[in-house]
Amino acid sequence: GAVVSQHPSRVICKSGTSVKIECRSLDFQATTMFWYRQFPKQSLMLMATSNEGSKATYEQGVEKDKFLINHASLTLSTLTVTSAHPEDSSFYICSATRDRAKGYTFGSGTRLTVV
Amino acid sequence: EDQVTQSPEALRLQEGESSSLNCSYTVSGLRGLFWYRQDPGKGPEFLFTLYSAGEEKEKERLKATLTKKESFLHITAPKPEDSATYLCAVRGNAGNNRKLIWGLGTSLAVNP
Repeated sequence: GAVVSQHPSRVICKSGTSVKIECRSLDFQATTMFWYRQFPKQSLMLMATSNEGSKATYEQGVEKDKFLINHASLTLSTLTVTSAHPEDSSFYICSATRDRAKGYTFGSGTRLTVV
Repeated sequence: EDQVTQSPEALRLQEGESSSLNCSYTVSGLRGLFWYRQDPGKGPEFLFTLYSAGEEKEKERLKATLTKKESFLHITAPKPEDSATYLCAVRGNAGNNRKLIWGLGTSLAVNP
């Protein structure tokens, strides 16, 4: 089956530093990857959609310069939280698909804590 | 506007007590309704995709059904390990048709 690996699972960083989160599709080529943010006891909030080799499409209200997304290959997308602040602390989840008709596979998520 | 509403928000069952979760949706041109299970601190785990009214899918104790307005996730004789949050999402054909519209989920607790 389709497997998506996300690293790290947990990260603690100091305010003002940047953090990179990786999302890899292990056994398929992902034409599209998605990045979500989830607050406690709330559903998933789509942040951006990325296609390999092109710029990400950000959802309204998501700062492009703060959440940098790179989708350099069909198996790897990265999300970099730049100049992180405590309000950026959240659960970030990536998702990938090779065929939208067959569903979306999610990574295991990254718990980011900014202190 | 595409929208997904899940009910109830939370459900507590005794082991073996069957029940159903509801996902009501409005979408322009349904291109798929998805059910996921999410455990605390984990990413969603895919359960089912339904595409057209009347379609049904089963997996172990779970059965998903679909009408033109809603989907049900039936849980038969649940076990404590079925405790999780169940999320419903739809994909339509308007706008950015690659993204999913998510419900807020139903938090299910099954007591032994």
